[in-house]
Amino acid sequence: EAQVTQNPRYLITVTGKKLTVTCSQNMNHEYMSWYRQDPGLGLRQIYYSMNVEVTDKGDVPEGYKVSRKEKRNFPLILESPSPNQTSLYFCASSLSPQPSADTQYFGPGTRLTVL
Amino acid sequence: GQNIDQPTEMTATEGAIVQINCTYQTSGFNGLFWYQQHAGEAPTFLSYNVLDGLEEKGRFSSFLSRSKGYSYLLLKELQMKDSASYLCAVRDNSNYQLIWGAGTKLIIKP
Repeated sequence: EAQVTQNPRYLITVTGKKLTVTCSQNMNHEYMSWYRQDPGLGLRQIYYSMNVEVTDKGDVPEGYKVSRKEKRNFPLILESPSPNQTSLYFCASSLSPQPSADTQYFGPGTRLTVL
Repeated sequence: GQNIDQPTEMTATEGAIVQINCTYQTSGFNGLFWYQQHAGEAPTFLSYNVLDGLEEKGRFSSFLSRSKGYSYLLLKELQMKDSASYLCAVRDNSNYQLIWGAGTKLIIKP
């Protein structure tokens, strides 16, 4: 089944404790992206990747890192989480980064709480 | 600056028709998307417009006017399962990334 998977789905952690949220897609998509979603603010892009070894900052990259060492995986790393990073996180992928009708496919989301 | 506006919440009756508006002001334009998102779930794709006019897909239709920076999503024969948030997103011309509106929460009443 074609899908984007994220792990963990739920995480409660404490300030300063490094964590990684994994994202994997099995559709051979070139483009992958991370978003956070907060009430009243909609989806805001954190980082995106047009292809392997190519990553770029989105609108809210502070406090996050990513890597794209292989096409299928795009982990999101929080080196020192803070309470303002409490949010719902979505990973998404699409076949091509170029303009087209090609839709983005979203993972199920990771609900992160930082105490 | 970049800005996408949608109403925060709308209420409609089962079986009726509802129109959700989206206005945008972006530095460039390369397509507009509508997504549906049920509470606690991932967004799912509904429609894509890049040229002016109406795109119809079953009970859902989407309209675009590039000169007015305006789009709407039209939902017909509303069903209870249509209760969800509807997200409008514009693809920016400079880096091809999507700029998202905050979403419209649609409540369907029997």
